[in-house]
Formats: sequence, structure tokens, C-alpha cells
Amino acid sequence: GAGVSQSPRYKVAKRGQDVALRCDPISGHVSLFWYQQALGQGPEFLTYFQNEAQLDKSGLPSDRFFAERPEGSVSTLKIQRTQQEDSAVYLCASSLAGAVAGPQHFGDGTRLSIL
Amino acid sequence: AQRVTQPEKLLSVFKGAPVELKCNYSYSGSPELFWYVQYSRQRLQLLLRHISRESIKGFTADLNKGETSFHLKKPFAQEEDSAMYYCAPNTNAGKSTFGDGTTLTVKP
Repeated sequence: GAGVSQSPRYKVAKRGQDVALRCDPISGHVSLFWYQQALGQGPEFLTYFQNEAQLDKSGLPSDRFFAERPEGSVSTLKIQRTQQEDSAVYLCASSLAGAVAGPQHFGDGTRLSIL
Repeated sequence: AQRVTQPEKLLSVFKGAPVELKCNYSYSGSPELFWYVQYSRQRLQLLLRHISRESIKGFTADLNKGETSFHLKKPFAQEEDSAMYYCAPNTNAGKSTFGDGTTLTVKP
């Protein structure tokens, strides 16, 4: 594939609604990461998968945030009962590496706006 | 706690001038160090990684373990270097901590 693909590119939701953001990593990439980027700040780590296993979810801000990667490829980040502070760009990245640190390949992100 | 500091939010230089983007980190262990760049209307992409010791687009980055710094340098800036630059140490688990970025503007 051409690279990491994220959908939708833009999402507008009313406060209290649930949203689901999708990430298609580069084929064969073992690691998958989700980041949240607020305006004027760098990406903040949310969670990390190695294949289908979620190895680190320490960055998820609350139990309203849930991520899965059931077959070790496509991943979904779900946010329940959205709040205005959830408005941000959500970035997905994948890496060929497993346990060893390697460069990450980023998608274009999903810009989420909560009204 | 792991922390990355990029002290300059904005940096402006003239074309042909040297440029240095600063990065200081506070990390346990020995992280792998990366610089990422985001050009206007493009996605975040890898610029260089310390371990490869490459020079990409004329940029180099020197690791100073004593000062825990990983500053990005280029001797002669070009207009096409105008972009947002992020320093990102990465642990063995692959998790990256990003700085808040420096917006570089190279003026003609």
C-alpha cells in the first residue's frame, strides 16, 4: 500500500456521541501506535499494539477511550460519550519493528471536532 | 518521567544561513533518537535517526549524552526546509515521546 491510511479525515460529533476512528497500517508492520495531537502541541502517546496485543495503553486519558486491533492489522480507536476536550487530531503510526525501537510511519490523521 | 523539550517554538533564518533546532530530553535508559518533520499540508515523516548517522537533506544531529541533547543542524538553510520539526526519543518498546515542535521559517 501507499502508506498508513486513516479514516475519516474529518469527524464532527456532538458532545456525548460515540465516535470510531480507523487506521490501516502499512502491510506487514508489526507495531501500531495511536497519538493525540492538540493544537500547537506535539503528538501525545495514547496506546501501542504489537500485532493484536495491546502492550501499552498508559496514555489513554480515560476509560471512555478504547482501542483494538483484533487481527493484527487494522485498528480502531473508539471514544465513547465524547467531550469537548477530546477535540484534537488523532494520529496513527505503524512500524516494521517489534520490540526494537524503529522509525514510525504516520497517517494523515483524523481531525475530530466535538461541538 | 520522560520529557522532551524543544525550547524554540518559532525559529526564523535567512536562506543560506546556518540553522540549529534544539532538543533536550530527560529519559531513563538509552533511548533511540529521532527527528520528524512535517511540511505544509503533508503528513509527519521521519527526517533522521541517530543510530544511522546519516545526513538527510543536509541535516545532521549530534547526540550529547552528557547534556542529554540531540540538536538538529544544517549549515545552509533552504526555503524548502520551512516546516515543523519534532524531536522524538523512542524507547525499546517503540513508544515515542514528542516535543512540542519548532516551526522553522527560512526567508528568501
